[in-house]
Amino acid sequence: NAGVTQTPKFQVLKTGQSMTLQCAQDMNHNSMYWYRQDPGMGLRLIYYSASEGTTDKGEVPNGYNVSRLNKREFSLRLESAAPSQTSVYFCASSEPRSYGYTFGSGTRLTVV
Amino acid sequence: DQQVKQNSPSLSVQEGRISILNCDYTNSMFDYFLWYKKYPAEGPTFLISISSIKDKNEDGRFTVFLNKSAKHLSLHIVPSQPGDSAVYFCAASAWYSGNTPLVFGKGTRLSVIA
Repeated sequence: NAGVTQTPKFQVLKTGQSMTLQCAQDMNHNSMYWYRQDPGMGLRLIYYSASEGTTDKGEVPNGYNVSRLNKREFSLRLESAAPSQTSVYFCASSEPRSYGYTFGSGTRLTVV
Repeated sequence: DQQVKQNSPSLSVQEGRISILNCDYTNSMFDYFLWYKKYPAEGPTFLISISSIKDKNEDGRFTVFLNKSAKHLSLHIVPSQPGDSAVYFCAASAWYSGNTPLVFGKGTRLSVIA
């Protein structure tokens, strides 16, 4: 099925460990986004990529890095995980000036 | 500082009645507004949108109203069905002026009781 695929779906990390969350879309969208969802906080933008080769910080970028590997893939890296990064992470994609963001099903990350 | 506010964390409605979800925004540059619906363990899905040149947009049981002077929008669901039980997020963007990424509110959990 066409859409946004996120891997892994679940992950438990120890404080200080690193990991990369993977995201791939097959809709040929130019723009991709990483959001995190925390209880009572809604969806907050971490980083986004308006087009291949560009990335920009969102509202909560500290502790994260991103790579727009190609048009299809946009990864999110935690270099040294902290308990405050326990969250559900959503990747999304869209065409520029399109109202339709397509979201992946999320990665539930727990940092202990 | 929150630019998109959903002040009601939860709402319970009887099946068949109207559900009204509210959203306020502070950024006057926002010119495109959307509602997303989210079920547990799934990503948000687009529900309905409205641009700042309109004050109403309707799609089946869902209607969004925009009051620009009050910086307020609302989502009406009529009639409400048990399958509408989900978390609803209001989102906004400066779409026409700068194509900024969507800014989301904190969400409202709707429970439709049969």
